[in-house]
Amino acid sequence: NAGVTQTPKFRILKIGQSMTLQCTQDMNHNYMYWYRQDPGMGLKLIYYSVGAGITDKGEVPNGYNVSRSTTEDFPLRLELAAPSQTSVYFCASRSLDDSRRNTIYFGEGSWLTVV
Amino acid sequence: DQQVKQNSPSLSVQEGRISILNCDYTNSMFDYFLWYKKYPAEGPTFLISISSIKDKNEDGRFTVFLNKSAKHLSLHIVPSQPGDSAVYFCAASARIGANNLFFGTGTRLTVIP
Repeated sequence: NAGVTQTPKFRILKIGQSMTLQCTQDMNHNYMYWYRQDPGMGLKLIYYSVGAGITDKGEVPNGYNVSRSTTEDFPLRLELAAPSQTSVYFCASRSLDDSRRNTIYFGEGSWLTVV
Repeated sequence: DQQVKQNSPSLSVQEGRISILNCDYTNSMFDYFLWYKKYPAEGPTFLISISSIKDKNEDGRFTVFLNKSAKHLSLHIVPSQPGDSAVYFCAASARIGANNLFFGTGTRLTVIP
């Protein structure tokens, strides 16, 4: 009953370091998303993918990269970490069949601090 | 630029009473609206949605009302239960199935036993 799994749950990065947030889903969902939530703010879409090999930018893509080589995995890469990227990151997925309800299933979140 | 706004950061309600959470939006292109519930250290979970062709949608204790002319929606929880204590996010999109959901800043609901 895993659903959407994100790792790591917590990470502290130094300015300029790089890292990858891992996300995997076992529901065979076509659509996958990365959101970030800053303190006191709503979730904002970073990148999304509609299927393996296809990715597109969301509302706040700068400073991030993604890839989608398989249906299950959608890693988010931070190349040169900046303090502005301190946030909680949520991976999410959605089935093509659920599109009429727009039901997105979220992971538990990854807390990232850049110092 | 926050296109979806939840102006009340917190709300406290007695158990058994009605909880009313409000949400306003600015983009007239939004056509589909959702409410998500979030417990600490967990991801948001879908609660209820409404399309702009309706003005009300019910699911058990939860009802969402939409006033398109006022660009306002609300979530009613009746009766409120302590397990409802969570952060509630309103979200909007231009159509059902759109990939970009615009979220509000959330309202923390506390239901007092």
